[in-house]
This record gives sequence, structure tokens and C-alpha cells, in this order.
Amino acid sequence: DGGITQSPKYLFRKEGQNVTLSCEQNLNHDAMYWYRQDPGQGLRLIYYSQIVNDFQKGDIAEGYSVSREKKESFPLTVTSAQKNPTAFYLCASSVDGGFNTEAFFGQGTRLTVV
Amino acid sequence: AQKVTQAQTEISVVEKEDVTLDCVYETRDTTYYLFWYKQPPSGELVFLIRRNSFDEQNEISGRYSWNFQKSTSSFNFTITASQVVDSAVYFCALHNTNAGKSTFGDGTTLTVKP
Repeated sequence: DGGITQSPKYLFRKEGQNVTLSCEQNLNHDAMYWYRQDPGQGLRLIYYSQIVNDFQKGDIAEGYSVSREKKESFPLTVTSAQKNPTAFYLCASSVDGGFNTEAFFGQGTRLTVV
Repeated sequence: AQKVTQAQTEISVVEKEDVTLDCVYETRDTTYYLFWYKQPPSGELVFLIRRNSFDEQNEISGRYSWNFQKSTSSFNFTITASQVVDSAVYFCALHNTNAGKSTFGDGTTLTVKP
């Protein structure tokens, strides 16, 4: 079945540690996105990539890093520089960033800093 | 800058009632796309509809209907004869085709009681 897989579903991190969230898609989509969702708030864009080996900062990129070495993979690293990392993280993809912009979402990773 | 406002944070209705979720947007672009997504408790956002800025026709899909009015920058979503399974968080989003990214509203939590 085609879709987006995020792992793990739940993640606990100690303060000061970096942690990487996985996002894989087998939809052959060019564009991929990372969003952060906090309680009672909408999705805020962290990073996005419209093509392999290229990515752009979104609205809240500070404290995060990404890579896009393969079309199907877009991992997100939450670094120790991110002051308030506890949140629900959603990965999405779309055919491209232009006209075919319906996004398909993964089931999310809930990150908790302990 | 783009902005999407969903004024209703929470709505509670009794099954079989009709309910309308409001969405108002701001953009300077002449070409853009508007979306509605549903987020059930599982966390994954599910695409419901896409509408481009040049198509103001209203759309009906089963119990769902959408009213796009460019003059008031609104893209409202109505569920007719609501059901318990409609309970979810609903997001309205505005997509900027030039930048290749979307702006989401804060979401409306709909609770349908039996």
C-alpha cells in the first residue's frame, strides 16, 4: 500500500539530546514537509523540500535540521537548540509543490522531552 | 504574508444536526489553493477538498458541502446530518503555489454527540 510512514509513534528525549524522526514515503512524490502541531494550534511548517537534495526553512526552523538525500526519505532532527521540542510532529508529501498540492500525511510522532 | 482564521475553536452538536465550520483567509496572491483536512483521533490528516482561486463553484460530496466566496475571502465547510464519526479536528489551509507551502488555520474541534 502506498503512503507515508513515520517512526517512531512515540519518542522520549532527555534534555540536551538530539533526536531524529523518520519519514518515508513510497508515493513517488517530489515534495515533502515537516509540520509541528501544539495543543489547540494549527500546523506550523518547520522545513520543506520540493526536490531531492534541496530543502527550505519553513516558519519555525530554528533548532531543527533536515536532509533529503533520497526522494522517499525526509528525516527531521530535533537538536538541543530547540527550546521547547515537546510536540506532535507530522510529515507530509505531495506530488509537487505546485498545482498538485493535495498533501498526504503520516500518522505523526509524539515527542516528549523528559 | 498569508493567514488562515478558523474562528470556531470548538463546536458541539447532536447527531443529525447540520453544522458549518468557518474559514477566512488572507493572501496577496491571485493564484492559490484552499483545502480542508480532517484529523481524527489517530492523528493523521485526511484530505477532504481542494479548491483553486479561480473556481468559485460550490461543491457537494455526500453530506459534505463547501461554499467558496472570494469576495469575502471565505471557504466554509458544512456537514449535513452530522454523525458521531464526523467528530474530529478540521483544518482549513491556504497553499501558495509560488512558495510551494501551505498555511494552516488553528483548527476547529467538532464533537458530534449521539
